[in-house]
Amino acid sequence: KNQVEQSPQSLIILEGKNCTLQCNYTVSPFSNLRWYKQDTGRGPVSLTIMTFSENTKSNGRYTATLDADTKQSSLHITASQLSDSASYICVVSRGADGLTFGKGTHLIIQP
Amino acid sequence: DAGVIQSPRHEVTEMGQEVTLRCKPISGHDYLFWYRQTMMRGLELLIYFNNNVPIDDSGMPEDRFSAKMPNASFSTLKIQPSEPRDSAVYFCASSFNTGGIGYTFGSGTRLTVV
Repeated sequence: KNQVEQSPQSLIILEGKNCTLQCNYTVSPFSNLRWYKQDTGRGPVSLTIMTFSENTKSNGRYTATLDADTKQSSLHITASQLSDSASYICVVSRGADGLTFGKGTHLIIQP
Repeated sequence: DAGVIQSPRHEVTEMGQEVTLRCKPISGHDYLFWYRQTMMRGLELLIYFNNNVPIDDSGMPEDRFSAKMPNASFSTLKIQPSEPRDSAVYFCASSFNTGGIGYTFGSGTRLTVV
């Protein structure tokens, strides 16, 4: 069964601290993996897209990693800011077969 | 580009009433997707269209749900009759293909059925 599991379900950290969000998947076939940021009351917005051959990809203070062998990905946020408070959703593309979504990690940055 | 445009942003209706959600995809995108998001289940794909033709509606929960795409720039998701358990945020997304190239979500419609 195609599944994307994310952890933790929710996380609270202080502004300025770093954090890492986890994503494990059992999806086949695999085309690419994406991390989305969803602000409250908004639609998800893509942060990074990683293909099978990519191990690391950065977007500003966001760095995603992918281990295709263990089928794990992580999203590291450096020097968190209040605006990072959001839900982060891991999504695995099965190519023409569509997307499989995780349920997200709800991140709260406290001042 | 204004992105994917959904209306209304919020909808409150009484149980049994008909609800129609609207979506304008990004011009040039051949695929349009309707999703439902709840805290319990996350994002669930309801139906998607390719070139205005419904391709996969296996995610549509019941016959009370129907979707149409009369042209490349407009789609509707209708619930008739609505029930309290339909309360959720409904997202429309569009892209160049199912694999997600250019995948863009709208801001969603928050539906509350009382």
